[in-house]
Amino acid sequence: DARVTQTPRHKVTEMGQEVTMRCQPILGHNTVFWYRQTMMQGLELLAYFRNRAPLDDSGMPKDRFSAEMPDATLATLKIQPSEPRDSAVYFCASGLDVGTTQFFGPGTRLTVL
Amino acid sequence: KQEVTQIPAALSVPEGENLVLNCSFTDSAIYNLQWFRQDPGKGLTSLLLIQSSQREQTSGRLNASLDKSSGRSTLYIAASQPGDSATYLCAPGSSNDYKLSFGAGTTVTVRA
Repeated sequence: DARVTQTPRHKVTEMGQEVTMRCQPILGHNTVFWYRQTMMQGLELLAYFRNRAPLDDSGMPKDRFSAEMPDATLATLKIQPSEPRDSAVYFCASGLDVGTTQFFGPGTRLTVL
Repeated sequence: KQEVTQIPAALSVPEGENLVLNCSFTDSAIYNLQWFRQDPGKGLTSLLLIQSSQREQTSGRLNASLDKSSGRSTLYIAASQPGDSATYLCAPGSSNDYKLSFGAGTTVTVRA
């Protein structure tokens, strides 16, 4: 049963600490997306990759957020330093290609105190 | 910037009733439109994907229509069941960069 996996599922940290979230896309999918969901803003796209190359990261605060794909089976989203306003659920999704169905992971619930 | 509106924001119906969920979007330059379901505390599950050239797409009790020129899509759920209780999100995909823009969702409660 192919699915997107994300770790950790929950993370509580203090302001100023570094946070790293990981995502394993579905094998064979060449696009990976990072989204953030909050009650106030809903779902927002932070960044996405195609064939491991970043295509768009315009939704990401560049001074503290970074996204990478070290290899085809791993995508990472890093926040350094974290702030309370970063508290949200972060979702990773993958797809066969751009413009195809996106499959979402279960999310990482981040709380920054 | 694509703006997506979903009406109503919440809906409560007795089991067996048909559901009609509306989605409108401001930019008709879309590649496709996806409908997702989200259960509390979970990720999103794709329900249907309609290509911009299509007028509708069906899967079981679900039927989605698309009127690209008027910026509207409707999701119909026939003979609703308590298991259909969830939040349903509409997401048109841009024809420029394929990025999805999400509505705030319609939260559905089906009463047994």
